[in-house]
Amino acid sequence: GEDVEQSLFLSVREGDSSVINCTYTDSSSTYLYWYKQEPGAGLQLLTYIFSNMDMKQDQRLTVLLNKKDKHLSLRIADTQTGDSAIYFCAESRRGSSNTGKLIFGQGTTLQVKP
Amino acid sequence: EADIYQTPRYLVIGTGKKITLECSQTMGHDKMYWYQQDPGMELHLIHYSYGVNSTEKGDLSSESTVSRIRTEHFPLTLESARPSHTSQYLCASSAWVLNEKLFFGSGTQLSVL
Repeated sequence: GEDVEQSLFLSVREGDSSVINCTYTDSSSTYLYWYKQEPGAGLQLLTYIFSNMDMKQDQRLTVLLNKKDKHLSLRIADTQTGDSAIYFCAESRRGSSNTGKLIFGQGTTLQVKP
Repeated sequence: EADIYQTPRYLVIGTGKKITLECSQTMGHDKMYWYQQDPGMELHLIHYSYGVNSTEKGDLSSESTVSRIRTEHFPLTLESARPSHTSQYLCASSAWVLNEKLFFGSGTQLSVL
């Protein structure tokens, strides 16, 4: 996890936008992901972006990738109480065997206040 | 419905017991993974498999072992559980595609007393 860093906590009001940030270190990362984990559950893939893209939008979710700075962000528009969860950033790395593994950040807990 | 299942959901057990955490997926994925997640911390890969009869150690050293006799089944075994093994164990699977989209089970919360 030390190669993928995230802030640990974010609190927003319902209806506001949330921005969760992530930095990574491996420039060979091919795909970057955002996963959501609700209490007591496994991880659910929210969205992902290929490393040659700058932005990807999917309904309320916008992913921004700054490859030069190795910075990834997830913006959630019109945040709802149901968005309260832990959000994990992850990168996919390619080894000599050309098989990837995901490296996860430590997760950002998003608290949405009504 | 294609999915990935983990059992048991919760397990409380005494020190020294042998335990097996089950993981099954119905998506036909070749690749399967076990991650360990401590409270408030990131996931650490402890085992992975690229297919039947393939098992590899992950980035975090673990005393557990895994087997992959069937594509859909990837159980994790601890021969002698200790309190230090208390953690959440998450199983995941993915297909052989460039975008490594992992599908996760709901996890097993293991508590060793």
